[in-house]
Amino acid sequence: DGGITQSPKYLFRKEGQNVTLSCEQNLNHDAMYWYRQDPGQGLRLIYYSQIVNDFQKGDIAEGYSVSREKKESFPLTVTSAQKNPTAFYLCASSMGLSSSYNEQFFGPGTRLTVL
Amino acid sequence: DAKTTQPPSMDCAEGRAANLPCNHSTISGNEYVYWYRQIHSQGPQYIIHGLKNNETNEMASLIITEDRKSSTLILPHATLRDTAVYYCIVRALYNQGGKLIFGQGTELSVKP
Repeated sequence: DGGITQSPKYLFRKEGQNVTLSCEQNLNHDAMYWYRQDPGQGLRLIYYSQIVNDFQKGDIAEGYSVSREKKESFPLTVTSAQKNPTAFYLCASSMGLSSSYNEQFFGPGTRLTVL
Repeated sequence: DAKTTQPPSMDCAEGRAANLPCNHSTISGNEYVYWYRQIHSQGPQYIIHGLKNNETNEMASLIITEDRKSSTLILPHATLRDTAVYYCIVRALYNQGGKLIFGQGTELSVKP
């Protein structure tokens, strides 16, 4: 099955702990994205990567870090510096800017709760 | 990216067409209109996109006005599984890696 997987679906952490959210895709997509969604709100871009070993900050990058060592993987670390980390986190991928189509495919999301 | 305006909620009877409007009066020439939907607690799902011409695929039709300031997503025969929040997004492909800016969307309830 081709697609994007995010794990785990639910994650609980204590305040002050860093936590890493996994995102894997087997669509051979160049570009990957992390979004955050708060209750009743739309999605906001945290980080994006258009190619391996390169990534850019989105609109709300403070308190987050990412890496893109492999094309298939784009993990997101929520650090203790993130003031309100409890949210629904969504990973997406697309063929990238080389394609005018550039539709984004989303994973099922990880719901992070910081206690 | 241009801002979009959508009604916060709509109802539709099962089997009838659902017509979801979107205003994007400040759209510029290189911006596309995209529609996504999000079923509760799932990731958004791409539906359709267009630039100037009307588009149709297996899920929906997209009607864009000639001046491109508004559009309508049409689900021709709505089912209960179409109940979701529908997002209209205007997007320039080369802005911040092609990021999607999601507004509040329209919550569509399909009723039996």
